[in-house]
Amino acid sequence: AQTVTQSQPEMSVQEAETVTLSCTYDTSESDYYLFWYKQPPSRQMILVIRQEAYKQQNATENRFSVNFQKAAKSFSLKISDSQLGDAAMYFCAYRSVGKLIFGQGTELSVKP
Amino acid sequence: EPEVTQTPSHQVTQMGQEVILRCVPISNHLYFYWYRQILGQKVEFLVSFYNNEISEKSEIFDDQFSVERPDGSNFTLKIRSTKLEDSAMYFCASSKNPGTSATDTQYFGPGTRLTVL
Repeated sequence: AQTVTQSQPEMSVQEAETVTLSCTYDTSESDYYLFWYKQPPSRQMILVIRQEAYKQQNATENRFSVNFQKAAKSFSLKISDSQLGDAAMYFCAYRSVGKLIFGQGTELSVKP
Repeated sequence: EPEVTQTPSHQVTQMGQEVILRCVPISNHLYFYWYRQILGQKVEFLVSFYNNEISEKSEIFDDQFSVERPDGSNFTLKIRSTKLEDSAMYFCASSKNPGTSATDTQYFGPGTRLTVL
C-alpha cells in the first residue's frame, strides 16, 4: 500500500525568507503523481503544485517549487519570499489513479 | 471559475441520527469523491464514484455510509446512524477524469463540519 509521510509537524519562517517542507512516500508503482495542497484556517483544500513522476524537471508555480527525487521517493516543497498569507497547513499527497493519499500535514507559520 | 460547493457548512446532530451531506461538483466533471478529516489529523479517502457506481471505497466507508447522485447535479453522502467518532470535516471533490494525468486535478469543496453530540 502507498504511504505518505511528512516528518515536520510544524515549521516557521520569517516573512520574505525561504522555507522547505519535506515529504517522503512509498510506492511500488512507476507511474504516479504528487501534489501539495494548502489548507488555511478556513479549512478549504487548495492545490499549490503538482508533479508527474515521469518528469525529471521539477515543477514550479510562481514562488512555489518542488524538489522531486524519485529514487529517494522524496518530494519537498520550497516556498520563496514567504508571505503572511502562506501561513497554513500544507499536505503532501500521492495519487496513481483515483483517490489521493495524504500525509499528516505540516503547520507553517510566517513571522512578520 | 467553476467550483465545488457543499451544504451545509456546519451540521450538528445527535448520536444515532441520520445525516445527509450535499455536494454540487463542477458541472462537466464525471468523477466524485468524499474525504474526511478528523480535527488535527490528515485527510482520509472515503469513497469514489463514477457512472452511478462506487469505484473504490476505504475501510472507513462501512455499511453506515452510502453515496448517491440523485440528479444531474448533486452528490450526497449519507451516514445512517451517526457515532461520536463520525465528527469530522467532510470534503467533497470532483475531477474530469479519473486521474490518468496530473491535470486531472481533484477540486475540493469548502467542506462540511459535522459535529455529533
